[in-house]
Amino acid sequence: SSELTQDPAVSVALGQTVRITCQGDSLRSFSSSWYQQKPGQAPILVIYDKNNRPSGIPDRFSGSTSGNTASLTITGAQAEDEADYYCKSRDSSGNHLGYVFGTGTKVTVL
Amino acid sequence: QVTLKESGPALVKPTQTLTLTCTFSGFSLNTTGMRVSWIRQPPGKALEWLARIDWDDDKFYSTSLKTRLTISKDTSKNQVVLTMTNMDPVDTATYYCARINGWEFREWFDPWGQGTLVTVSS
Repeated sequence: SSELTQDPAVSVALGQTVRITCQGDSLRSFSSSWYQQKPGQAPILVIYDKNNRPSGIPDRFSGSTSGNTASLTITGAQAEDEADYYCKSRDSSGNHLGYVFGTGTKVTVL
Repeated sequence: QVTLKESGPALVKPTQTLTLTCTFSGFSLNTTGMRVSWIRQPPGKALEWLARIDWDDDKFYSTSLKTRLTISKDTSKNQVVLTMTNMDPVDTATYYCARINGWEFREWFDPWGQGTLVTVSS
């Protein structure tokens, strides 16, 4: 299966901006979505179809894609944004009907 | 309001078959376009997609686990069932189900169930 690579961990000062990236060949062809997961909880959707926010997700969360890289940006990070974040796309390795998740990024808010 | 909830055994022995049930409300798998997936997450590790079933009974599986997985639906009960054969300790994980939204090749998973932890140990 294809891979989506994320930095294992990033930190951000309270109120500052952090960008989380997700790299993979499948992102050139297929849309991406982003999920936030706090310890002991199920993931929740924060960005879908590259750059759309579900209702209830603060507008400090935004998404973008360029080439083989998808990005999730938190502008003005809050303490409650501390979590693991995963990107997701289609599997471009031949199993086009499958999905692949990124390796995950742990965001720490200082 | 759409909700999903996973259920199944918390502990299975190596070589046994795991059967998990996803019971959902707020939508019907009889409705055109509806789809449900299973995803798992070993402790401390990343999410891994397992399988998907569509309203028209189309089924799709992870390439690496295809030979061990079977997904099915019971629309009268609003349930999706996943079976995984020949369980191994490396299959210890929290198993989630989620509704798939969007269009072909532009899908997203929302919402997710709370997950159920399955431990494989003798």
